[in-house]
Amino acid sequence: AQSVTQPDARVTVSEGASLQLRCKYSYFGTPYLFWYVQYPRQGLQLLLKYYPGDPVVQGVNGFEAEFSKSNSSFHLRKASVHWSDWAVYFCAVSLYQGGRALIFGTGTTVSVSP
Amino acid sequence: EAAVTQSPRSKVAVTGGKVTLSCHQTNNHDYMYWYRQDTGHGLRLIHYSYVADSTEKGDIPDGYKASRPSQENFSLILELASLSQTAVYFCASSDTGDTQYFGPGTRLLVL
Repeated sequence: AQSVTQPDARVTVSEGASLQLRCKYSYFGTPYLFWYVQYPRQGLQLLLKYYPGDPVVQGVNGFEAEFSKSNSSFHLRKASVHWSDWAVYFCAVSLYQGGRALIFGTGTTVSVSP
Repeated sequence: EAAVTQSPRSKVAVTGGKVTLSCHQTNNHDYMYWYRQDTGHGLRLIHYSYVADSTEKGDIPDGYKASRPSQENFSLILELASLSQTAVYFCASSDTGDTQYFGPGTRLLVL
């Protein structure tokens, strides 16, 4: 069955430091992958998406992610974290069937320290 | 920018009562979805629709009904609300089933 695993429930990073959030997926075939961000008491906003092609995709606000088929991973990175990046980050895979619904990971909460 | 609105934004319901959550999108998107969010579970799909007057079951449809009377509107109905349905509910829409645009969510507390 398709699934997404985000092994880190919470990550604390200093402002200005780099950030990497891990995502592993289980999917038969080539997946469409997404990273969404949820700011406090808000809905989810798209950060970036991967379609088959260049394995490194650029997103908004300096985020990028790298797809690896051999590792079944889609890790998110940012070179320098800002306090406004304090949020919950969700990795998701799109299903070809079922109306292309998303299967989400459990999310990683990023806390930014001064 | 896609616009998806939800109402109410929060609601307190009694066990056994009927609850209707509404979602409205102004993007001419064919696909609409209802997810629920629980701590530690991420978002899980309840129902979805790809055309008006038709709905499909998602991964956790038990205890929920959905209604899509028009392209713009998609409702989630809890006929007999239960404590276990306390959660945050998100509606989303997309055009080709590609990128999904989410509403702000509805916080439902069932007492």
